[in-house]
Amino acid sequence: LAKTTQPISMDSYEGQEVNITCSHNNIATNDYITWYQQFPSQGPRFIIQGYKTKVTNEVASLFIPADRKSSTLSLPRVSLSDTAVYYCLVGDIRDNAGNMLTFGGGTRLMVKP
Amino acid sequence: EAEVAQSPRYKITEKSQAVAFWCDPISGHATLYWYRQILGQGPELLVQFQDESVVDDSQLPKDRFSAERLKGVDSTLKIQPAELGDSAMYLCASSLETSGGSSFFGPGTRLTVL
Repeated sequence: LAKTTQPISMDSYEGQEVNITCSHNNIATNDYITWYQQFPSQGPRFIIQGYKTKVTNEVASLFIPADRKSSTLSLPRVSLSDTAVYYCLVGDIRDNAGNMLTFGGGTRLMVKP
Repeated sequence: EAEVAQSPRYKITEKSQAVAFWCDPISGHATLYWYRQILGQGPELLVQFQDESVVDDSQLPKDRFSAERLKGVDSTLKIQPAELGDSAMYLCASSLETSGGSSFFGPGTRLTVL
């Protein structure tokens, strides 16, 4: 499984766009990139997943450059409730390979008023 | 919205005692995971089931931990005997076999070993 590197923490203010970058230099051809959000004393929550280029849903956007060695989670106009830990995971999600994904240390995002 | 259920939510035990955690995945989810999360760290995968079969338990301390999913639905994780270092959040997650990595996590069981 590809190892990921994320900033340990980030600060932002309400209403700003937040971009969290994850490095995964050893990503394999069949690996997907998945992001989770975790609030204190809760289980992680799936945010978004992608393979290449750009993926957007109602919560966030995921930007993946052509070499796929990094990815950026973009949270538009954050609010105080977006304060959480964000995890970037990389792994092979094909059925016959299982869905085992490894969590790293994550990025602690603090949104201030 | 369907959710992964876990019980108990909190467990306090003394070292050398046995503890057990229960997980009921989302209906129809063939894949079930148990994670351990120490405060301030990311979740660590302990065991993965595909239906009733163990896919990966390489990180499960088998001298004291055991996990089963007898009928391929709900699952139990047991620790016997518990040690002080086992204090952590134990998370259960499930996913559809074809969902492609988007797992749904339960609320977790917070274990404190005294």
